[in-house]
Amino acid sequence: ETGVTQSPTHLIKTRGQQVTLRCSSQSGHNTVSWYQQALGQGPQFIFQYYREEENGRGNFPPRFSGLQFPNYSSELNVNALELDDSALYLCASGLWVGNEQFFGPGTRLTVL
Amino acid sequence: GENVEQHPSTLSVQEGDSAVIKCTYSDSASNYFPWYKQELGKGPQLIIDIRSNVGEKKDQRIAVTLNKTAKHFSLHITETQPEDSAVYFCAAPATIAGNQFYFGTGTSLTVIP
Repeated sequence: ETGVTQSPTHLIKTRGQQVTLRCSSQSGHNTVSWYQQALGQGPQFIFQYYREEENGRGNFPPRFSGLQFPNYSSELNVNALELDDSALYLCASGLWVGNEQFFGPGTRLTVL
Repeated sequence: GENVEQHPSTLSVQEGDSAVIKCTYSDSASNYFPWYKQELGKGPQLIIDIRSNVGEKKDQRIAVTLNKTAKHFSLHITETQPEDSAVYFCAAPATIAGNQFYFGTGTSLTVIP
């Protein structure tokens, strides 16, 4: 098991609502990345945070936003939820100087 | 951007046999290639990785090979066991920094006892 934790485990929202997902990085790590994993697909990179700033974004609209806190924990916020946002949201932590990324267990989001 | 293709999508093997999963990538500048194992209800777990300055890396029953010229890399699992059953993903870097990734579409491996 990695030291990356995520909350909540499961979440159900309705279309148009907003959601906040949380991640606690592995001790000593200073980057946090968020991925979206649709059912039966590989994870898709949303964005990465380093030094509390966004550092790289995948092909996701601005309604996906995030924060990184001084203790390296992070939030993913999604506004105006759409049905296609239903997925497993994964957080991964690592070191700025380094390649390895370690994933948390994910948050399963269902949008009705 | 990088494009990662993974084959096969499903693979069934008898316990004790070997399993091979292959991935191709498009960006010749990519220099780090991890493999992840994802069990049902869990996040992906890094099981092995390889950097572009080596052609092969082994860790007990797991090995990864890299062919930079052909831009493909493969995961080899020998002496498979039922606990190896899972979905396996390959990945390649999206940036020079090499810590943001494009993932393959996954291979569902079933090891039949």
